[in-house]
Amino acid sequence: GAGVSQSPSNKVTEKGKDVELRCDPISGHTALYWYRQSLGQGLEFLIYFQGNSAPDKSGLPSDRFSAERTGGSVSTLTIQRTQQEDSAVYLCASSPPSGSDEQYFGPGTRLTVT
Amino acid sequence: KQEVTQIPAALSVPEGENLVLNCSFTDSAIYNLQWFRQDPGKGLTSLLLIQSSQREQTSGRLNASLDKSSGRSTLYIAASQPGDSATYLCAVQGSARQLTFGSGTQLTVLP
Repeated sequence: GAGVSQSPSNKVTEKGKDVELRCDPISGHTALYWYRQSLGQGLEFLIYFQGNSAPDKSGLPSDRFSAERTGGSVSTLTIQRTQQEDSAVYLCASSPPSGSDEQYFGPGTRLTVT
Repeated sequence: KQEVTQIPAALSVPEGENLVLNCSFTDSAIYNLQWFRQDPGKGLTSLLLIQSSQREQTSGRLNASLDKSSGRSTLYIAASQPGDSATYLCAVQGSARQLTFGSGTQLTVLP
């Protein structure tokens, strides 16, 4: 079946602009995660959605970052007033409602802030 | 705060060798541990997941072990091939559900 998909695959934006990154999880997966992978910082957690529960936003680095998940499926990560330090690969993962909690990752969106 | 360490950071071996990648974590209260593979410019591919109650998992030439009490896991790759060249990441999941990742081991298998 289809895996996790993310769009766009690459995004170049000017400092100060807002960007939106999209994640389509595997159908039927109730948990959705956003991570960021940057040079020098490795892979770090940003935000976690589980069903209709309030999201765990504890990993968001600043209030310029926000995310929503509509209808329990597609998620959008928004970065306002982008800064050069936001340049990174943003990865989305999903996991099924029961069982192993194994996380399945999408291909990522490479964001470059110039 | 959970911290995950992977040793070595890089490893180069000739084709056909068996090898071991190491992962250690500071908080033993984990739900599971996952090993991933990442090819350059690509996302993460899940290789093996070990539940906290399990000691090991096997898939083909890969075998992962978990010693939760000592905070250690190893990934054993048998009969390595050039196609195994990639970065291998270890990640643990705790009660907060998100994964905490190590910094990875970059493996090169020479033909």
